[in-house]
Formats: sequence, structure tokens, C-alpha cells
Amino acid sequence: GQQVMQIPQYQHVQEGEDFTTYCNSSTTLSNIQWYKQRPGGHPVFLIQLVKSGEVKKQKRLTFQFGEAKKNSSLHITATQTTDVGTYFCTNNAGNMLTFGGGTRLMVKP
Amino acid sequence: NAGVTQTPKFQVLKTGQSMTLQCAQDMNHEYMSWYRQDPGMGLRLIHYSVGAGITDQGEVPNGYNVSRSTTEDFPLRLLSAAPSQTSVYFCASSTDWGPYNEQFFGPGTRLTVL
Repeated sequence: GQQVMQIPQYQHVQEGEDFTTYCNSSTTLSNIQWYKQRPGGHPVFLIQLVKSGEVKKQKRLTFQFGEAKKNSSLHITATQTTDVGTYFCTNNAGNMLTFGGGTRLMVKP
Repeated sequence: NAGVTQTPKFQVLKTGQSMTLQCAQDMNHEYMSWYRQDPGMGLRLIHYSVGAGITDQGEVPNGYNVSRSTTEDFPLRLLSAAPSQTSVYFCASSTDWGPYNEQFFGPGTRLTVL
């Protein structure tokens, strides 16, 4: 099935710095979901984007779906130590939900 | 609601042994799935089910069997464990099988095969 690629794989930031992760697909996506997994935990749903060019915000997190619906980004403003974890985007292929490789965020206090 | 529960939390097997990982949800969700997550990697879909009595293969089904006799339960069976199956296994469920539904994950089972 179609794959989504995430970059970067890892990101170290100083607390207070901004962070962005990108999700790219070679084909048009019907929608995209973002999940967060804390170290040692399980993935937790953050948000879903459906419309072309859609932008959604959750406090310091901003999610964007590209105009062509082939890419998406998650931006965190002024990171905190509670933002540590791995952020995954997903792709739906029929009944199958597949995940990108994730971006692991590490925050230095 | 307990949500999605998985047992056991940890398991060590010897090569060739068989076992069943249990998954249950109490949210009356139609769609259930199993993923494996290897260290530092994303999640790969093993099997999924769109409702009781219906299962299908995901990306990496070899070495695993599933069944869905009830809406609530979706066990994953390892037929003859191999070291390559050492991984963390997550079960997930959602309201139905459409692509727009939030997935609820269980806490995971950490499996080591020696």
C-alpha cells in the first residue's frame, strides 16, 4: 500500500524552542491522523485533518494539511518537557491504517 | 469503561513455543487491529477485523493468526515463536472500519522470544 514518510526521525531541542515534523506521501491522502506516543506508552490520538489546506490548533500544537493533500506538518511552539515522545502520522488504505516511521522528540530542560 | 485492555503485559517465550495475546474492548467498537512495534520504529499492521467473524491480513501477517468470534475480543496467536517476533504488540479499536475514525490503543504486550 501507499506509504507515508516522516522527517526528521529524531529531533533534540532546548526547552522553549519550536519543533516541526513533516509527513509526506507520494499519493493523495483522503485524510491524515496524528498520534503521540510517550516513552514506554501507547499511541494516543491527537487530531485528524480531512480538507485540503486545513489548519487546526491545539494550544501550542498547530497541524496543517497540504493543499494537494500529499503532506502534513505538526508544529509545536515553545516546547516543554511534557512534549517528549514520538509523533506519528497515519495513512488509510481501504480498511488498513498504516503509520509513518515517526519523529522522536527529545527536549532538554 | 476500561477501554482497550491487553494481557499479559510482559511475556518471555522460547523459540518454537506458541501463545495467545489477549485483547478486549468494552466500547462496542466494530474495528479492531493488531500492530507490532520494533525498537525505534513505527507500528506495522499485522491483522485487522472489521467486525465479528471477519478478519484480514495487514502488512506483516506471517507467523500470526487471529479470530474474532465476538465484538469485544480479538486474540492474536503466535503459532511457533521466533526471535524475530520479539517486539511490543499493540491492539487498537475504533468505532467502525472507515478511515476517519480515531484509533484507541491498548497498553501493549512486551514479548521477548529467546
